[in-house]
Amino acid sequence: DSGVTQTPKHLITATGQRVTLRCSPRSGDLSVYWYQQSLDQGLQFLIQYYNGEERAKGNILERFSAQQFPDLHSELNLSSLELGDSALYFCASSGGQGGSPLHFGNGTRLTVT
Amino acid sequence: SQQGEEDPQALSIQEGENATMNCSYKTSINNLQWYRQNSGRGLVHLILIRSNEREKHSGRLRVTLDTSKKSSSLLITASRAADTASYFCATDAYLQFYFGTGTSLTVIP
Repeated sequence: DSGVTQTPKHLITATGQRVTLRCSPRSGDLSVYWYQQSLDQGLQFLIQYYNGEERAKGNILERFSAQQFPDLHSELNLSSLELGDSALYFCASSGGQGGSPLHFGNGTRLTVT
Repeated sequence: SQQGEEDPQALSIQEGENATMNCSYKTSINNLQWYRQNSGRGLVHLILIRSNEREKHSGRLRVTLDTSKKSSSLLITASRAADTASYFCATDAYLQFYFGTGTSLTVIP
């Protein structure tokens, strides 16, 4: 058990809709990362937060947004969903120090129909 | 892209054989990490090698790093059926982690 909790595990929704994915990091970890994994794209870095502040942005679409709250949990909001957004979305956390490994949750599988 | 690339994309071996996977990357790094992913599950950290290290061992795992060639390799010795998974390298540059596309390893009992 990595200590990182992601909810929900599965999500099925229609095109054009909006969903929110939630992540609770491992106790004590200040940094949260979001990744998207689809069959043809591998693991794509979306965004990183450290102690409530955005630290780095990757290939995150403008339709997507995220935030990290004072209690350090994070939410990833996906709007105007398209079929191509169907993927596994992973949250990972780390202590934020150099050399700290990432601890991954088990992901949210999003299916857009 | 800052992502690494693993090679080969897929590897199938017999139980007991060694498995070698390679990773190439493009930017300067602080360290490089290897992760394992069982089908549909979250990634699990295996081993970290710092940019000033050339080789590191952990159990049946051996990792090498050549910063001049911007490449790393992961060797799994005496493979087991339970090693069947996808393996990813991740480059850590300034606390941003970029993953490669992964090597899918199948170990045949």
